[in-house]
Order: sequence, then structure tokens, then C-alpha cells
Amino acid sequence: EVYLLESGGDLVQPGGSLRLSCEASGFTVSNYGMTWVRQAPGKGLEWVSGIALSGGTTYYADSVRGRFTISRDNSENKLYLQMNSLRAEDAALYFCVKGGGGSVVDIWGQGTMVTVSS
Amino acid sequence: QAVVTQEPSLTVSPGGTVTLTCGSSSGAVVSGNYPYWFQQKPGQAPRTLIYDTSNKHSWTPARFSGSLLGGKGVLTLSGAQPEDEAEYYCLLFFSNGAVFGGGTTLTVL
Repeated sequence: EVYLLESGGDLVQPGGSLRLSCEASGFTVSNYGMTWVRQAPGKGLEWVSGIALSGGTTYYADSVRGRFTISRDNSENKLYLQMNSLRAEDAALYFCVKGGGGSVVDIWGQGTMVTVSS
Repeated sequence: QAVVTQEPSLTVSPGGTVTLTCGSSSGAVVSGNYPYWFQQKPGQAPRTLIYDTSNKHSWTPARFSGSLLGGKGVLTLSGAQPEDEAEYYCLLFFSNGAVFGGGTTLTVL
């Protein structure tokens, strides 16, 4: 069975850092493009970042470029999102998604919650 | 990055047909934007319905279809069911990333 399990969400102060993890099961993350999407409470979906299938090219939304870094660990079969200089507007449920960056988007994780507050 | 626009809300009668559209501030939506459509119900993660304009996943009900029309991406629901009441999002890919539309709240009433 193919599924994604996110973790790492937490309460963090403005200006702080957090690393989200996404454990993949049933497929190999290095063989697919992967994506992070977020959703603030009561709001719509926002595409955050993607890593391409080939070459590992990375892409970022303007709102997070320079602060967030997407990466994957092929040995652990995990996707990561390193989030620095967090702001109140980064508070959201963060979804890990299989696909994007040259691969068909299909499977979504259940999300991990990030709260940014002092 | 481009702004992607969707109807904020639509209503369809049970058994009826409704079309949702997805436009882009950067110009006509084309196949190279690989239009996607997602369905999200309250308290659930989104589910991918349509990819690359008109392709369906194995779990996509046959009553959903995707296309391009008039410079926009289109999701058509033919024969609406009560369980189709949900939020629908489109996603467009560009050279520097991707952008979601604001979502359409679909009511089946």
C-alpha cells in the first residue's frame, strides 16, 4: 500500500526553525517528484515547494523562497522541509504529496500541523 | 507567480451537471500547465481527481471529467451525487513552480 506519513509539526516562536519529515511507504521517493502543500486553518491550499524527479531541481513559492528548503533522503526514503525564520503566516497544516516536478500527483499524506506563536 | 482563479461557490441539483473553471492571470491555461483538480471534504486531506487536463486516477468517479475550454481548465461533474458536495481546487504548473486556485465550494442541493 502506498502512503505518506508526515511528522515534525509543532508550536514554534516567530523567527524559529522546524524540520518536517515525510516517510514514504510503498514506493521510493527518489523515483518521483515530491511536493509540500500547506493549508492555513479555514483557508485554501497553497503550493509550497517541489523537488523534481530528474536532477533534483527544487522549486519554491515566493512566500517561502530563501527560508524553506526541500530535500529527500534516499536511504531513509523520506522527504523533508526545513523551515527557517518562521512567521505567523506560515502556521498551517502541511501536506506531503507524491508527485509534481515531472511526476503525476496522486497520493496525499494526512498532514502535520505547524503553529507559529509567541 | 501567477494568480489562479476559480468560482468561489456553485450549486448543483442532485443528478445535474455543473462546470468548474480554472483561469490564470498569466494568460490562457494550456496543456503545458498540466491542470489538476482536487476534491477536499471537511476534515480530510485533498484527493486528486484529474491530472494533466483530463486524465483520471483509478479512484476518480466516472462522472468527473476534465478539459480545456475558452482558455481555462474545466472540471465537469455530470450526474451530481450528494457525496460530491466538497471544496474543489485546481492546480497549475508554471516554469518556476505551481499555484493553486482559491477553491470552489460545491453544494449539491
